Amino acid sequence: GQQVMQIPQYQHVQEGEDFTTYCNSSTTLSNIQWYKQRPGGHPVFLIQLVKSGEVKKQKRLTFQFGEAKKNSSLHITATQTTDVGTYFCAGEETSGSRLTFGEGTQLTVNP
Amino acid sequence: DGGITQSPKYLFRKEGQNVTLSCEQNLNHDAMYWYRQDPGQGLRLIYYSQIVNDFQKGDIAEGYSVSREKKESFPLTVTSAQKNPTAFYLCASSIGQFPYNEQFFGPGTRLTVL
Repeated sequence: GQQVMQIPQYQHVQEGEDFTTYCNSSTTLSNIQWYKQRPGGHPVFLIQLVKSGEVKKQKRLTFQFGEAKKNSSLHITATQTTDVGTYFCAGEETSGSRLTFGEGTQLTVNP
Repeated sequence: DGGITQSPKYLFRKEGQNVTLSCEQNLNHDAMYWYRQDPGQGLRLIYYSQIVNDFQKGDIAEGYSVSREKKESFPLTVTSAQKNPTAFYLCASSIGQFPYNEQFFGPGTRLTVL
């Protein structure tokens, strides 16, 4: 079955440093979504990428979808303590079907 | 206030007992999902339903059962056959049609089997 791998599993940064998490799928994806889960909370949708090579920005967050639609990345510029949490990618093989989640990257930010 | 509700937030059960977790949504979403999350791990799909009266097994359905008799409700039963049921259970819903298929999650139920 489809597998989605995410690295690194943990990342500790000083406030102000940049952060990147990478996501790789074993199969070509229809689209990829990113979610953030704060400690003790539930996942919250951040963004969906659909097109090959797509790049989207949300303030300090930059999301990319690979040309082959098998990998994606999330980059945070100048991290803040409010960025703390676990970031998950989730891929969909066929539009409208189930999502397969990566294992997540847990980000801690030291003030 | 629209959203997804899961109750209770914390649940304790004795080993060998079946337990049913509640999930209700008032977002008028067609699709609903159940995930299990273990410490330091991602979300694993248990069951999902794309329409009333129909549901499919996810990646870890053994020891679980669901029903979808109403659009708003998708209860999950953790049976005594589930060998390691202690976990954080998350319910989600979505419109279910691309490109409007982002998933909205409930607050979760933390189940502890003693």
